[in-house]
Amino acid sequence: EVQLVQSGAEVKKPGESLKISCKGSGYSFTSYWIGWVRQMPGKGLEWMGIIYPGDSDTRYSPSFQGQVTISADKSISTAYLQWSSLKASDTAMYYCARPKASRAWEDAFDIWGQGTMVTVSS
Amino acid sequence: NFMLTQPHSVSESPGKTVTISCTRSSGSIASNYVQWYQQRPGSSPTTVIYEDNQRPSGVPDRFSGSIDSSSNSASLTISGLKTEDEADYYCQSYDSSNGVFGGGTKLTVL
Repeated sequence: EVQLVQSGAEVKKPGESLKISCKGSGYSFTSYWIGWVRQMPGKGLEWMGIIYPGDSDTRYSPSFQGQVTISADKSISTAYLQWSSLKASDTAMYYCARPKASRAWEDAFDIWGQGTMVTVSS
Repeated sequence: NFMLTQPHSVSESPGKTVTISCTRSSGSIASNYVQWYQQRPGSSPTTVIYEDNQRPSGVPDRFSGSIDSSSNSASLTISGLKTEDEADYYCQSYDSSNGVFGGGTKLTVL
């Protein structure tokens, strides 16, 4: 079964760093891009960025460029989303998702992780 | 970067047909495929339409998608509405460097 399993919920203080994960299984991890999507409480979906684990080619939405870092460790089939200094406004659900076609980043996301809730509060 | 604009909410009765629009602010709607996702409360999104008008297996043919270059918009049409169709719906597309989601439309089936 193809699936993406994300790390658990996090509660952090402003200024702290954080790295959340998304582990792929049931398919060739290095052949498919992995994207990250933010959903703030009660709000819509926002496309953050996407990485190709095969060569770490990464694209960021202008809204998130410089605010987060997307990376991947192909040896353990895991993608990451990290912050160096969290803000209260980073409080959101974060989803990882895989496009339908291999090697295609401009494609529909057909496999989604279960989401990781990040709460940033003093 | 471009934007995709959707109505905030729509409502319709069971058995009826509803259409949700998604208007692209710049660049041609036909230049990149449009996807539609359904999200029920507390759940991850799922695809109901990809590549403008393709249905994934398991999605009923009550769901259909189209694009209209004259209005630079895409549409999701759901016919024979069922109460289980009540959810948030998001369109999504790309430009040369990244992806964009529409703001989402809350569908109420009353």
